[in-house]
This record gives sequence, C-alpha cells and structure tokens, in this order.
Amino acid sequence: NAGVMQNPRHLVRRRGQEARLRCSPMKGHSHVYWYRQLPEEGLKFMVYLQKENIIDESGMPKERFSAEFPKEGPSILRIQQVVRGDSAAYFCASSSSRGNTEAFFGQGTRLTVV
Amino acid sequence: DQQVKQNSPSLSVQEGRISILNCDYTNSMFDYFLWYKKYPAEGPTFLISISSIKDKNEDGRFTVFLNKSAKHLSLHIVPSQPGDSAVYFCAASANNNDMRFGAGTRLTVKP
Repeated sequence: NAGVMQNPRHLVRRRGQEARLRCSPMKGHSHVYWYRQLPEEGLKFMVYLQKENIIDESGMPKERFSAEFPKEGPSILRIQQVVRGDSAAYFCASSSSRGNTEAFFGQGTRLTVV
Repeated sequence: DQQVKQNSPSLSVQEGRISILNCDYTNSMFDYFLWYKKYPAEGPTFLISISSIKDKNEDGRFTVFLNKSAKHLSLHIVPSQPGDSAVYFCAASANNNDMRFGAGTRLTVKP
C-alpha cells in the first residue's frame, strides 16, 4: 500500500527552464495539496486540488506557477521560467475527504535552480 | 498573513523530561488542528490531531491541548526520547480542509 509518491526526489534546472513536479496520491485519495518549504522556513500552502478541479490556489504565485490534477494520472506542479528564488523543497500531501482529516505527505521534491 | 504561529524556533530538553511545543492561531474559523513531525530530507509525518469540540487528545506519550478562547494549542511529549528530535509543525484547517502550517519548532532531546 504505497504512500504518497513524489518524483523526482531531486531536480536541477537552469534559470529560464521549466520544472515539472509530480505527485501520486495515496490510493483512494482524491484531494491533493502542494506546499513549499524554503530553506530555514516552514511549510507554505500553495494550492489545493481535487480531481480535475482547483479548489484553492491562494498560495500560488500569480505568474509562472500552475497546478493540475487530471482525471487520470498524477498531480503536476509546473514552474515555468524558473529563477533562483524557486529553489526549495516542494511537498505534496493527499487526503481521502474534504472533511477534517489528516493528510499524508510525500517525501518531497528538492528543486535547485542554477 | 501568517495564520498559524510557532514562536519558538527551537527547544532543547533532557531525555526523560517533558517537551512542550506551543502554537497560536488567528483564524477563528479553524476547527481542526494537527501536529506533524519532520526529519531532515523527509516529508512531514502525521503525529496527532484534535477537533475543536475537544480540549485534549492523548496518544501514548503525546498529548495535544487546545484552548479555543486563547486560540492556542500545545503538544506535550512525555517522557521525551532522543528519537523525538525533529522539527514539529503545527497545522490548522477550516472545514475546506486546506491546512495552514506554522514555521516549525526544532526539538532537540539530549541523552
């Protein structure tokens, strides 16, 4: 029974390239959340998605960042034209329902922009 | 706009003693609170939670206390063990279930 799977674990991109981060939620989970952790900081909420719908993207930067959770396949966090400030650990979490319940996290993707 | 605050970035305790981690929140709509533990290079792992209808929840060595009037919750670990050394995140959610996290408190338990 696999947990939340994120890949890649480490991603290096040059400035201006695109970064694609993938998250496969736990089996049976249809709610996905993305968080970013900058060095020496806490977890910052970015976006909350259900299958095919973005529910809350209030934490997403207005430009260059987008997220999707298609009917089939993993959730994707996409960062276009990356800059050095995008270097961070990106964590995905999933939960089984919208009600108050714990979410389970993946191991994270560490993005380094050089 | 930081809705969940952990004002102590670090805490050091002796093995066997009690660890108390604190968390404050500002959003009165929050009705579910969680604590996560995080080791370096790993994702956060769920530890314990509490609903706003309760003021205490206990699970083994871990107890979470909620004071709604003060918008404050705390995590007690007793007795503390060296393996408890990690960063602890407090999180809160309203019924729409997107959790907001505090900045974390790094707990060090000394043998």
